[in-house]
Amino acid sequence: QKEVEQNSGPLSVPEGAIASLNCTYSDRGSQSFFWYRQYSGKSPELIMFIYSNGDKEDGRFTAQLNKASQYVSLLIRDSQPSDSATYLCAVDNTDKLIFGTGTRLQVFP
Amino acid sequence: SQTIHQWPATLVQPVGSPLSLECTVEGTSNPNLYWYRQAAGRGLQLLFYSVGIGQISSEVPQNLSASRPQDRQFILSSKKLLLSDSGFYLCAWSVAKLNTGELFFGEGSRLTVL
Repeated sequence: QKEVEQNSGPLSVPEGAIASLNCTYSDRGSQSFFWYRQYSGKSPELIMFIYSNGDKEDGRFTAQLNKASQYVSLLIRDSQPSDSATYLCAVDNTDKLIFGTGTRLQVFP
Repeated sequence: SQTIHQWPATLVQPVGSPLSLECTVEGTSNPNLYWYRQAAGRGLQLLFYSVGIGQISSEVPQNLSASRPQDRQFILSSKKLLLSDSGFYLCAWSVAKLNTGELFFGEGSRLTVL
């Protein structure tokens, strides 16, 4: 069973701080990695995807991928209360995505 | 533009009753289609996916089934619901060859089995 693991949290950070979210995966053959944000009671929405080792930046978000160590991370700079949500890591497996259980982020004023 | 519709949004069903959740996608052809379930406080569990009409792959053995009678229609069914079937059911679509794209989710169907 291919797995994606995340710390469930909650991760609490003050407004303006950097939030760091981590994810590990078991399938070395995975090529594509995704971060989704899910507000309570809502559907997940894509924040970022990354295919290559290294960093990928998009506004306040940076995704980091290390295939040798099989981990993906998401950094959120200048965290805002509106960033409070559950962040789901997803890894491709042929025609489907395997999701982690998510990390709940709380940003307090 | 592409849209995905999923219904019903909320339902409360007794144990042993049947279930039918429906999902349709507009604005695209030959999408990959998926049913996920999210139990309270848990992550997204892939239940079924389909890469074409009549092609269904099951990820988790259970009392649920899925069908794809048309290119952009995906149906999740059960003949007899269990308490453990309660959860938030999400339909999603993607373009073919998933690793070049993302999943687009419907609004979800919240099922409570009593």
